[in-house]
Amino acid sequence: DADVTQTPRNRITKTGKRIMLECSQTKGHDRMYWYRQDPGLGLRLIYYSFDVKDINKGEISDGYSVSRQAQAKFSLSLESAIPNQTALYFCATSHSSGTLSYNEQFFGPGTRLTVL
Amino acid sequence: AQSVSQHNHHVILSEAASLELGCNYSYGGTVNLFWYVQYPGQHLQLLLKYFSGDPLVKGIKGFEAEFIKSKFSFNLRKPSVQWSDTAEYFCAVLMGGTYKYIFGTGTRLKVLA
Repeated sequence: DADVTQTPRNRITKTGKRIMLECSQTKGHDRMYWYRQDPGLGLRLIYYSFDVKDINKGEISDGYSVSRQAQAKFSLSLESAIPNQTALYFCATSHSSGTLSYNEQFFGPGTRLTVL
Repeated sequence: AQSVSQHNHHVILSEAASLELGCNYSYGGTVNLFWYVQYPGQHLQLLLKYFSGDPLVKGIKGFEAEFIKSKFSFNLRKPSVQWSDTAEYFCAVLMGGTYKYIFGTGTRLKVLA
């Protein structure tokens, strides 16, 4: 079974609709992230969370909100979707093992979102 | 602002050719460095990482990267590419004290059989 799962894998929606993307992990990691990937722009950080009570904005948080329902679950919401939010969205996790040791991120399979 | 630059956006090579992909970052403090690969239709997977110690790190599938602190670079290399290396490659930097990863824009590699 995959360690980081995302639902749905594909979604087509209309402008103005509210949509939620969900991410779950079984790795036991405390840190979770949401990115969007656009051609030629790489991955850009939307939000990140270091634990259930710690949520932070990334570089492109406008138009998005998140919820960390549990250590294993981190949801991304688009309150009113617009076409330029069409992108591939990735959830990622990492583990904090002290201030001097950082581990790599583990990525989910991605959600392809199309806003018409 | 801190940034990560990957100067090669598209690279086309024949099988058995050597590969070097550039990665430069702008940050003067402690960094942790990563290369990820994204095969067509798949999620990002870690190729290799550097935290400290030997600046030449070896990863999976014959890839290696060299951290040159004076040049703020972490270039990815492979002596002989295979068709199966066709993918997009991302350099990422975790800047000490920020707890955030910054990704480069990616390099699309196409290997011709």
